[in-house]
Amino acid sequence: AQKITQTQPGMFVQEKEAVTLDCTYDTSDPSYGLFWYKQPSSGEMIFLIYQGSYDQQNATEGRYSLNFQKARKSANLVISASQLGDSAMYFCAMRETNRDDKIIFGKGTRLHILP
Amino acid sequence: EADIYQTPRYLVIGTGKKITLECSQTMGHDKMYWYQQDPGMELHLIHYSYGVNSTEKGDLSSESTVSRIRTEHFPLTLESARPSHTSQYLCASRRGSSYNSPLHFGNGTRLTVT
Repeated sequence: AQKITQTQPGMFVQEKEAVTLDCTYDTSDPSYGLFWYKQPSSGEMIFLIYQGSYDQQNATEGRYSLNFQKARKSANLVISASQLGDSAMYFCAMRETNRDDKIIFGKGTRLHILP
Repeated sequence: EADIYQTPRYLVIGTGKKITLECSQTMGHDKMYWYQQDPGMELHLIHYSYGVNSTEKGDLSSESTVSRIRTEHFPLTLESARPSHTSQYLCASRRGSSYNSPLHFGNGTRLTVT
């Protein structure tokens, strides 16, 4: 069965520092995709970044980058130069092609940025 | 500007009532999903659909049912609401033909069963 693990329930980081949010996954499907979403206290789900299993390079989107280590089945989100507005819940999610694009989420990490 | 709409935004209902949570999207996406999320907690997949007349159950055991008669519409029905159904329900869609297409979420329906 597919599974997403986020081992950090909460993190506190000083403003302007970089932060890494961990995500490991388990799948037997060779074709899959990994997403990161941000959910502020207002509740909306905001897409941040995507990494495909066959992508040769780590994904980057502005201050967000994904440290993808396929052999270790990890897809950690790196936020550079953190800002107060980065305080939110962060979810890692996985899509499996062979499961009709079923998408499941991890338990999330609550990130607090300190001024 | 939302392209995926959920109604109602909030619903308070008594035990035993039948309810339908509406979800519509105007993006022509073939894949649609329903998630259940308690505040600040993980999202549990309860149903998904990869096209018209195709629906699948997710990992979370649910007493709800869904239908997908039209591409744009993916309603979720609870035949008999119970207090354990109190939660937020999030609908999402994505373009299946594009492998890196992200989920687009609605604003959610916050359901309270008394």
